[in-house]
Amino acid sequence: KQEVTQIPAALSVPEGENLVLNCSFTDSAIYNLQWFRQDPGKGLTSLLLIQSSQREQTSGRLNASLDKSSGRSTLYIAASQPGDSATYLCAVRGNTPLVFGKGTRLSVIA
Amino acid sequence: GAVVSQHPSWVICKSGTSVKIECRSLDFQATTMFWYRQFPKQSLMLMATSNEGSKATYEQGVEKDKFLINHASLTLSTLTVTSAHPEDSSFYICSARQGGGTEAFFGQGTRLTVV
Repeated sequence: KQEVTQIPAALSVPEGENLVLNCSFTDSAIYNLQWFRQDPGKGLTSLLLIQSSQREQTSGRLNASLDKSSGRSTLYIAASQPGDSATYLCAVRGNTPLVFGKGTRLSVIA
Repeated sequence: GAVVSQHPSWVICKSGTSVKIECRSLDFQATTMFWYRQFPKQSLMLMATSNEGSKATYEQGVEKDKFLINHASLTLSTLTVTSAHPEDSSFYICSARQGGGTEAFFGQGTRLTVV
């Protein structure tokens, strides 16, 4: 059974810092991995989708990497801003629907 | 990207009543829809998967007679929480995937409070 773990559970940084969020998964037989953002009481916003054949994806200040063999992904956020404050969820898709981690709650302090 | 609309965004109901939540794919045909539940500070947990025109497949521990899922068309799935109890209070989110597609798109979620 696929399990997804995200570290750290919570993170607080001053504005402008670069930061890395970590995601690990137990079954490397995945089709893709997706990073989402969730604001309090809201739905999910898809940030980046990495196919199993890809190593990384970039969108603006966000860069996500995937090392399928080791079961790891990182989300790199450059020059963080207060508006980046949210919970970031990692999810993997294999032979089952998306399996989510518990998320990392990020606070960027102005 | 594709848009999934979920309605209502929040609902308060009395214990013992039923509540229906709608999930619509606005600009694509969703052959598969998923329903998730999220308790505070917890991850999204898959409740069931439904394919258009077929009975939903429920995850272990999810009561199919309590959480009725209908996916009668390629653009609409509904989740009905029957005889709701306070412990059913949660955040329910649907997602939809196009046939052959690899990405699932999510609705805005529904906050259900049972009093």
